[in-house]
Amino acid sequence: DGGITQSPKYLFRKEGQNVTLSCEQNLNHDAMYWYRQDPGQGLRLIYYSQIVNDFQKGDIAEGYSVSREKKESFPLTVTSAQKNPTAFYLCAVRDSPTGELFFGEGSRLTVL
Amino acid sequence: RKEVEQDPGPFNVPEGATVAFNCTYSNSASQSFFWYRQDCRKEPKLLMSVYSSGNEDGRFTAQLNRASQYISLLIRDSKLSDSATYLCVVNLAGGTSYGKLTFGQGTILTVHP
Repeated sequence: DGGITQSPKYLFRKEGQNVTLSCEQNLNHDAMYWYRQDPGQGLRLIYYSQIVNDFQKGDIAEGYSVSREKKESFPLTVTSAQKNPTAFYLCAVRDSPTGELFFGEGSRLTVL
Repeated sequence: RKEVEQDPGPFNVPEGATVAFNCTYSNSASQSFFWYRQDCRKEPKLLMSVYSSGNEDGRFTAQLNRASQYISLLIRDSKLSDSATYLCVVNLAGGTSYGKLTFGQGTILTVHP
């Protein structure tokens, strides 16, 4: 969606390095989400945040960390503790009245 | 049982066919339901929300059956451009689950000439 920017689109890293994926939105939505998608799989929830300075673990939070210091920004750090970090990472915002999710274009992380 | 489960695909149908997907959910308190479409190597995009009374958008019809805890998506007069993965999404409401949206694993549809 035009109001959600994820960067970088493609990222290669060596095993053992931490990586931070950026997600910025100008849609003024409170709730933001990070999902991970593996080939041929559905989306799995990593973390979500309903409001600034608050966030909740999703189903697969181990090896990841987030922060929500500003409403517009919800960065995701993939730490060296994440055993299989290679995946497609998707950030989303939720429109509170309708509950609909809108996604950024995603970041593809490959760990060599 | 998975929280949200979809028909195992893939579905291969000819142009003009009618095809239907189902998606079951485990939490009876779930409040919101959606269908998303995802093209290969792209982000998911909202196809339609699913309302209690059912809703239609052109060739697409979504239904909710609360008693049996499933939602469905019907596509009529399939087009080649309908080929994609269709994902159902459920908002598992209540307690610490509020705000947590869960995706099904997706159903692949291929429409052929």
